[in-house]
Amino acid sequence: GQQVMQIPQYQHVQEGEDFTTYCNSSTTLSNIQWYKQRPGGHPVFLIQLVKSGEVKKQKRLTFQFGEAKKNSSLHITATQTTDVGTYFCAVNTGNQFYFGTGTSLTVIP
Amino acid sequence: DVKVTQSSRYLVKRTGEKVFLECVQDMDHENMFWYRQDPGLGLRLIYFSYDVKMKEKGDIPEGYSVSREKKERFSLILESASTNQTSMYLCASSRGEGTGNTIYFGEGSWLTVV
Repeated sequence: GQQVMQIPQYQHVQEGEDFTTYCNSSTTLSNIQWYKQRPGGHPVFLIQLVKSGEVKKQKRLTFQFGEAKKNSSLHITATQTTDVGTYFCAVNTGNQFYFGTGTSLTVIP
Repeated sequence: DVKVTQSSRYLVKRTGEKVFLECVQDMDHENMFWYRQDPGLGLRLIYFSYDVKMKEKGDIPEGYSVSREKKERFSLILESASTNQTSMYLCASSRGEGTGNTIYFGEGSWLTVV
């Protein structure tokens, strides 16, 4: 099956600092999705990217899909305590979803 | 909005007990999934089903079985619970056609086996 590597596994930042998590694959991806899981909660869909070089923004969150469609990043500008949680990337191929291992973000007030 | 409902949020069971985790989705999705989530290990797929009465093993099916008698319902069964099955279990559903479908998760079931 398709493998998606995600780094870092953990990240601690001071409130106001920026944060980035990365997903990488050895194969070309048809799409990349990002999910957020709040502490004690369940993963919730944030966004999907499908085009080479695509960039999408949601307020302070910026999502990028690489030109070769083998990597993606999620960047948060000026983190807030509400950003705390685990961020997963995922690829959907028909019936299957392949998840990265997630990046757990801690924001220190 | 899609709703995936897991019947039990918190359970405590004894070693050797048979455990049923029930999941219902209301969006007529073809695919349903059971994941297990443990700290540092991400989401691990136990079983998934792409149609009624169909099931496929995921990455960690040992010690588990599933049942899908109706399209909206997908049950996870622990035939004889063991302490190493203490975990958080997530049910999910998605459409089956094409690529780029979104997966929707239930709120999770926290199982403790003592």
